[in-house]
Amino acid sequence: GAGVSQSPSNKVTEKGKDVELRCDPISGHTALYWYRQSLGQGLEFLIYFQGNSAPDKSGLPSDRFSAERTGGSVSTLTIQRTQQEDSAVYLCASSKLAGGTTMGSTDTQYFGPGTRLTVL
Amino acid sequence: AQSVTQLDSQVPVFEEAPVELRCNYSSSVSVYLFWYVQYPNQGLQLLLKYLSGSTLVESINGFEAEFNKSQTSFHLRKPSVHISDTAEYFCAVSEDSSYKLIFGSGTRLLVRP
Repeated sequence: GAGVSQSPSNKVTEKGKDVELRCDPISGHTALYWYRQSLGQGLEFLIYFQGNSAPDKSGLPSDRFSAERTGGSVSTLTIQRTQQEDSAVYLCASSKLAGGTTMGSTDTQYFGPGTRLTVL
Repeated sequence: AQSVTQLDSQVPVFEEAPVELRCNYSSSVSVYLFWYVQYPNQGLQLLLKYLSGSTLVESINGFEAEFNKSQTSFHLRKPSVHISDTAEYFCAVSEDSSYKLIFGSGTRLLVRP
């Protein structure tokens, strides 16, 4: 019955370094989402995974950002050559299903506590 | 394109007073509407949601929100707030057959004794 977990909870890095953020969704949830919460930008959608389908990467801000989901469970968000504007809280969410007419009835997105990334 | 506006960045209120947190959205299609709450040092939690049917939806802790299609609003209300309601509240929308949540900028509710 554990919720969505994310690690690390805090990450401080130097400009230009690469970082990896991890998300463990709720067991049995097939959909996984990454959002970013930053000052001045609010909460922004980044990327979405659903089962074995191709992910929707339309929210990724640049090609320095990438994400993968292994085995339909754990996901890793990678930011290469970090910039100061990447500083934000990165939130992961999961839901049982996603999209289509089932969205409204079953698809509450459950959020993890986030990873606070600070780029110096 | 969808957007969500929360005009009030912070709402201070005294304990046991009523409160309304405003949310307006823009969309050209049918939408689902959500309020999420983020307590200090915690993750986002779903507070309530409108999917269809009755335009008035309620949460278990006394909050309610009413979907007003003509005014494209989904304001959150509580008749009597508690100190423990101090948190940031986010309004969000997703379009029919979509999975992306579009969030407002958030309203920080500060309940004072």
